[in-house]
Amino acid sequence: EAGVTQFPSHSVIEKGQTVTLRCDPISGHDNLYWYRRVMGKEIKFLLHFVKESKQDESGMPNNRFLAERTGGTYSTLKVQPAELEDSGVYFCASSQGQGRTEAFFGQGTRLTVV
Amino acid sequence: TQLLEQSPQFLSIQEGENLTVYCNSSSVFSSLQWYRQEPGEGPVLLVTVVTGGEVKKLKRLTFQFGDARKDSSLHITAAQTGDTGLYLCAGARGTDSWGKLQFGAGTQVVVTP
Repeated sequence: EAGVTQFPSHSVIEKGQTVTLRCDPISGHDNLYWYRRVMGKEIKFLLHFVKESKQDESGMPNNRFLAERTGGTYSTLKVQPAELEDSGVYFCASSQGQGRTEAFFGQGTRLTVV
Repeated sequence: TQLLEQSPQFLSIQEGENLTVYCNSSSVFSSLQWYRQEPGEGPVLLVTVVTGGEVKKLKRLTFQFGDARKDSSLHITAAQTGDTGLYLCAGARGTDSWGKLQFGAGTQVVVTP
């Protein structure tokens, strides 16, 4: 069974450009989470989807970040326009159904804004 | 914000030695998870502890959850070079989903031959 996969693995963009990150969760997992780790800081929660609905987006930094999960399958996280402080590693995780189920993480996308 | 503090930040030991990593918070978590992360990879779940006072063993790794569910420890016995990695603790805030996590900053463990 395939794990959580993220694309691209690395992205280098200029300040002001747009970048879209993609996450494919484990098949059948209703819950999808986005996290981010910026340099020197801990991994921080961004938002949580249950199927196609945003359950909790309390961790989203600002309105330059837009997350979608069309049809409750894969998810995208778009940053527009990107700023220098958006640099970091973006992780996606998924978990199965409701209840006390652990989340499995993807390998992350390293975003560098120059 | 519920802070999870991990200590030490960095630990270097020789093969065969024992080590303990601590994870402390002033807040109660419904569950606490330990992950290990390798460079260029995402965190990989090692264990979840739920009940106060719970002890779980995974081969040479022993995980303990404090009685008050605010702190946890990871003990590795007779460390091997393959134990090298970044160890992360993460507390679940919700009772209905363990995927929304508060992470500690991590402890980098280096085991030398």
